[in-house]
Order: sequence, then C-alpha cells, then structure tokens
Amino acid sequence: EVQLVESGGGLVQPGRSLRLSCAASGFTFDDYAMHWVRQAPGKGLEWVSGISWNSGSIGYADSVKGRFTISRDNAKNSLYLQMNSLRAEDTALYYCAKAIGAVWFGEGFDYWGQGTLVTVSS
Amino acid sequence: SYELTQPPSVSVSPGQTARITCSADALPKQYAYWYQQKPGQAPVLVIYKDSERPSGIPERFSGSSSGTTVTLTISGVQAEDEADYYCQSADSSGTYPVVFGGGTKLTVL
Repeated sequence: EVQLVESGGGLVQPGRSLRLSCAASGFTFDDYAMHWVRQAPGKGLEWVSGISWNSGSIGYADSVKGRFTISRDNAKNSLYLQMNSLRAEDTALYYCAKAIGAVWFGEGFDYWGQGTLVTVSS
Repeated sequence: SYELTQPPSVSVSPGQTARITCSADALPKQYAYWYQQKPGQAPVLVIYKDSERPSGIPERFSGSSSGTTVTLTISGVQAEDEADYYCQSADSSGTYPVVFGGGTKLTVL
C-alpha cells in the first residue's frame, strides 16, 4: 500500500523558515517524480514544486521561486521542501504527491498524503 | 499566466449524469487529469491522460476530450460523489508545467 506521510508544518512568523518532510512507502521511491501541492484554507489546489526521480530536473511555481527548495533522498525514501522567507500568503495545507511517472512535468499525481498545515502569522 | 477554466458549481439529482468541463488553449496538446476532493480529505485521482480510469475508480467516472475542452462525466451520480473536482494540465510551451483548474463543486440534490 502506497503511503505518503508529511511532517514539519506549524506556526511560523513571517520571514522565517520551515522544512517539510514527506516519508514514502509502498512503492519504489526512486522510480517516480514527486511534488508538493498546497491548498490555502477554503481555496483550490496550487502546485508548488516538482522533482524528477533522480533530482536531475526540478520546477517551481512562480509564487515560490527563489524562496523554496525541493529535494529528495532516495536512500531514505523521503521528499523535502525547504521554505524560506515565508509570507502570510504561504499559509496552506501542504500535500506531498507522487507523480504517475519519472518526470515531474506534464504528469498527474496518483497518490497524495494527508497534508501538513503551515500557518504564517505574527 | 495559463488558466484552466472550470464552472464553479454543477448540480444534479441522484441517478442523473453530471458533466464537468475544463477549458484551456493547450488541451489539444497536453493531457488532462481529474481529481476528486471530499471535505477534509486529500485529492484522489479519478481520470488520467484525458480518459483513463485508475484501478479502484468506479466505471461511472469517465473522461473525454474535444478541442480545447476536456470533460469529466459521472454517470448515475450517487450521493457519495458530492465533492470538489479539479482538472490539471500544462501549457504547451513548458512555462506553466503544472496547472490546476479552479475547481467545481458538484452538488447532488
């Protein structure tokens, strides 16, 4: 059974940093691209970032480019999101999602975690 | 920016057919994906590559594509199908590699 378990969310002040983690199990992690998708309270889904199976290709939404960094550790079956210079508008539930294939662009997501909540507020 | 346009809401009675559309210029060239999200739950993939259905998804869910519009069709709608539905695709240039539509709230009357 595929499982994606996010952690690392919490309340953080504007301008500070936070690192999210996603522990994956139930599939061959290094065969697939992975993504972070967020959802602000009461709003729709917003793609944040994606990373290919071997970290060779990475993409970011314009809204987080230069502030967030995605990474993965295939030996630990883990995905990460380093979030710096956080803003109030980054407040959202952050989902880890498994891509259908090995590349991160133009693909859908066949499994999602339950999300970790990030609240940016003073 | 690149946008996928969905109707904000669709309402149907149980047993009827619900059709949710998603429109964008690049849809003739890019696959579309559909997700169902119930309150307090993570999204679930219900259609991939325009019309393919993942294992475990009921046959009443189907997808189709025509020109710049893709459609999620739910035949014989059941009360449990009430949820938000999101389409996802990409633009043709690679500038916007992952884009979600704004979502459609399906209400089962």
